Amino acid sequence: DTEVTQTPKHLVMGMTNKKSLKCEQHMGHRAMYWYKQKAKKPPELMFVYSYEKLSINESVPSRFSPECPNSSLLNLHLHALQPEDSALYLCASSQGWGAGGETQYFGPGTRLLVL
Amino acid sequence: DAKTTQPPSMDCAEGRAANLPCNHSTISGNEYVYWYRQIHSQGPQYIIHGLKNNETNEMASLIITEDRKSSTLILPHATLRDTAVYYCIVLRGGSNYKLTFGKGTLLTVNP
Repeated sequence: DTEVTQTPKHLVMGMTNKKSLKCEQHMGHRAMYWYKQKAKKPPELMFVYSYEKLSINESVPSRFSPECPNSSLLNLHLHALQPEDSALYLCASSQGWGAGGETQYFGPGTRLLVL
Repeated sequence: DAKTTQPPSMDCAEGRAANLPCNHSTISGNEYVYWYRQIHSQGPQYIIHGLKNNETNEMASLIITEDRKSSTLILPHATLRDTAVYYCIVLRGGSNYKLTFGKGTLLTVNP
């Protein structure tokens, strides 16, 4: 089973709202990732968690706050977003991280619209 | 950091081989080449990866030149369901972790 699940599939929020995106995997992977993808562009890496610790933050604004409660779950908390943050948010996981040969498996994404 | 260059679009006839090129002329010795595809805003799907040697799996073959400055993804018998955006990615692990997506090639398989 190489499934990564993400909820919700779609999310509409106002600029003053607080919402969370959820990602889950049951493959025993120890690394999890958040990506942002704008229309007709490749995904951009936002965060990497390894063994439940934040390993990489690609200079993401603080209105995006990641959380890894356990090895199977990854959340992305959203607060005071801007309309330009509207995008497809993708979660991925891999067995390990850091050696360079670990395949990432992606979820279907959450399509976010900020009004 | 390694950069990747891909043609923006390609066409292929159904049943024929699709050969998708990627240039990564600044790749370092410890950086992997990965290929993913994405069908109409679904999550990217892993296809294949390699470091130095050519690789083959049930989906595709990956040919990496000896100098590692370019690679080609080969879908041996393209079907209509292979129509997607194909991304070439260079990945460096370790303490200087870096993942670089190419801009992608839209492959259209025609009947």
